[in-house]
Amino acid sequence: GESVGLHLPTLSVQEGDNSIINCAYSNSASDYFIWYKQESGKGPQFIIDIRSNMDKRQGQRVTVLLNKTVKHLSLQIAATQPGDSAVYFCADPKGNQGGKLIFGQGTELSVKP
Amino acid sequence: DARVTQTPRHKVTEMGQEVTMRCQPILGHNTVFWYRQTMMQGLELLAYFRNRAPLDDSGMPKDRFSAEMPDATLATLKIQPSEPRDSAVYFCASGWGYYSPLHFGNGTRLTVT
Repeated sequence: GESVGLHLPTLSVQEGDNSIINCAYSNSASDYFIWYKQESGKGPQFIIDIRSNMDKRQGQRVTVLLNKTVKHLSLQIAATQPGDSAVYFCADPKGNQGGKLIFGQGTELSVKP
Repeated sequence: DARVTQTPRHKVTEMGQEVTMRCQPILGHNTVFWYRQTMMQGLELLAYFRNRAPLDDSGMPKDRFSAEMPDATLATLKIQPSEPRDSAVYFCASGWGYYSPLHFGNGTRLTVT
């Protein structure tokens, strides 16, 4: 989604556990999605992307799942580490702005030692 | 690793002054984006360029903001005159095109007093 607001959704996990961060989109024509991680004081950093001809894509400790039927994607982080603490954004070039990369609200992940 | 470089990292200025932010995109990238990030609004798209041509600047206040790409290695965002409400972190990002992720710089933190 493209909503913005004062309060980010938050997710708190124990170190070593798996994390799942969710994102919904609204445009049925959206065919490419990108996940970014933003640490304090830094710009968004590319994590992983997925095109709509795939349901799943894996990277190092991360997996993105895409469910086109319900317009939902998720980012799974295995064995979450303190260094994973950050705000995570999904982004969609189509969104509702046609070709411009629009970011969702973001989810703040906190990892408890 | 190639990266997007933004200068200055921090800028404090008085209301009414001109501010110029600079961005060196990754060599070879053909799209450049300017975003603004605040706690209230999240990441807002201000303008973007493809092959140095401005494609959309509808996110910018036209009366005071201007964005240019004098050449392929430099993008600028100028605010004149600056106002306190312009205080934010401004990010530049570059990419290859639609089906490729944007790469972000670490931003310019602007404070207008």
